[in-house]
This record gives sequence, C-alpha cells and structure tokens, in this order.
Amino acid sequence: KAGVTQTPRYLIKTRGQQVTLSCSPISGHRSVSWYQQTPGQGLQFLFEYFSETQRNKGNFPGRFSGRQFSNSRSEMNVSTLELGDSALYLCASSFDSPKETQYFGPGTRLLVL
Amino acid sequence: AQSVSQHNHHVILSEAASLELGCNYSYGGTVNLFWYVQYPGQHLQLLLKYFSGDPLVKGIKGFEAEFIKSKFSFNLRKPSVQWSDTAEYFCAVISTSGTYKYIFGTGTRLKVLA
Repeated sequence: KAGVTQTPRYLIKTRGQQVTLSCSPISGHRSVSWYQQTPGQGLQFLFEYFSETQRNKGNFPGRFSGRQFSNSRSEMNVSTLELGDSALYLCASSFDSPKETQYFGPGTRLLVL
Repeated sequence: AQSVSQHNHHVILSEAASLELGCNYSYGGTVNLFWYVQYPGQHLQLLLKYFSGDPLVKGIKGFEAEFIKSKFSFNLRKPSVQWSDTAEYFCAVISTSGTYKYIFGTGTRLKVLA
C-alpha cells in the first residue's frame, strides 16, 4: 500500500506571497491532518479534515487554510507569507480519526525569504 | 490547556546502555498516548501506542512504554540501545472526548555512540 505523499518536497517563497501544499493520504484513509514542524516549537497541529469538512483546528491565524477533496486528497494554503512560516509542513492520514494511529508523509520544507 | 513535556531535549548514550525518555502530559480526561520516531532522513513513524488495558505497552525494535495515570506520564524505555536507534523521539497525546487536538512534545534527540 502506498504511503502518504506530499508535493512539492521543497519550496522557496518570498514574504507576502502565498503557497499551496498538497497531500495524498493512504488509500482508504479519510482523515487528513496537517502539522507545522519547527526546531523551537516541535510539531504543532494546524487542522484536520474528514469527508471534505474541517473537523478540528489548531491555534493558527486565518492565513492558514485548507481543504479536502472527495478522494480525500487535501491541500493546505498559506497566504501573505511571513518569515516565521518557514518550517516543515507534515501531513498525516488515518482511517477515521487521528485518535487512531497516524501515518505521516515526508513533509514539504518551506523557506520564506 | 493540554500540553506535553519531554524534559530531555538531547540524550547521548553508548551502545548497550539503557534508555528512558520522559513524557508528561497535562489533561484531566481520557487520552490516547503515542511515541513516534523520526530516523535521520525518514518520515515520522509510530513506535508504540496506548489506548487502554495493560499500561505497559511494547512497540517495535524492543521499545516499551509505561502509562502511569497518577503521574500523567508515558515514559519510553529500551534496555539496550543500538547505534541504529539514533533518531528524534516524539511523545504525543490526544484526548478521546470532546474537541480533540493532537499535542506533540518538542522531541528528544537521541544519539547513540558506537
């Protein structure tokens, strides 16, 4: 079974731009969660999608948004990028809920200049 | 608010030494507990998990963890580490009721010297 895939793997953007990251979950998984990983803060929960609906949300500003498609693929968008948004963005999928085991993708490394 | 503390940020051990990584959480309700590992250049992967039942859980590669409810702790142990255990280890907690959020600790970098 193929694992979680994320594209692109690396991105360089400048302040003020916007970016869209993509995540394809494991086949059959309906829950997709997004995390931001930074050296100082560790992994921080952004949001979770299930059946095309945002089911849960972390404490990030509205510049961070996402969506999920009918095939469970998910995208995350960050608008008006700031230097502090530089991080590794991880996507994780689980069958029904992140209360079960989550399977992580390799991440997208975003650098904001 | 929920939080997870991993007190050891960096640990250096020699091969065959015993390992114990601390994890404490703050949340008054029922939780599911996880340890994830990230080997250099690889994805985060599950090491072990506790949902209910026997508080001593065994995971892959000889790791185990004990859930002590009264101490809000879920410490990770391995009796004899190997060089290949060099990795970053993350404790994670999720509440099982209400509006849940997956909370990760900040991680512990383990370096095992050959």
